Amino acid sequence: DIQMTQSPSSLSASVGDRVTITCRASQGIRNDLAWYQQKPGKAPKRLIYVASNLQSGVPSRFSGSGSGTEFTLTISSLQPEDFATYYCLQHNAYPRTFGQGTKVEVK
Amino acid sequence: EGQLVESGGGLVKPGGSLRLSCASSGFTFTTYSMNWVRQAPGKGLEWVSSISGSRGRSYIYYADSVKGRFSISRDNAKNSLFLQMNSLRAEDTAVYFCAREGYYEDGMDVWGQGTTVTVS
Repeated sequence: DIQMTQSPSSLSASVGDRVTITCRASQGIRNDLAWYQQKPGKAPKRLIYVASNLQSGVPSRFSGSGSGTEFTLTISSLQPEDFATYYCLQHNAYPRTFGQGTKVEVK
Repeated sequence: EGQLVESGGGLVKPGGSLRLSCASSGFTFTTYSMNWVRQAPGKGLEWVSSISGSRGRSYIYYADSVKGRFSISRDNAKNSLFLQMNSLRAEDTAVYFCAREGYYEDGMDVWGQGTTVTVS
């Protein structure tokens, strides 16, 4: 099985900060990676697909990069509505695996 | 874009069974592969099972944690997805989400609101 190691598990940031979250795959997954945002009590929402493609309707302050085993989600200027938990998902192989999540909290 | 609505969750005793349903609308259900994903209280997301749509190869997959106990199925005539859960354990307690697989099998792109299963 492909393990996804996400870091950090949590971070504190202020509005306007640049935030970076990393996911590392235990083996190469090409660019078969998606990023999700989840707010408490809500379903996840896809932000990025195929590592770097912005989902329709998602603000351009979100971006994804990477290929192979290392991937990054960047929020260029954190907004109040961005405080949430973020997950990566590899869709290269079954079983599908999520990262452990990164909780972005108010500093 | 599409909508998914889960139902069938509830409180069940260990060893019991439950059948979850997911009703779809707003897209051609037959075409898309579908997934179940769960989230235990205070925990992260866990993929549970996937079933293929009418495009490409046919498949069904399960997480090791549910293999042999859970069964995924779909009724394309009713635009519905199901998860039959047998031999339930306390560790199956979670919110269960139905999620559509992206058209190019690029991860889940549409999610339901979830249904809560409590095994106690």
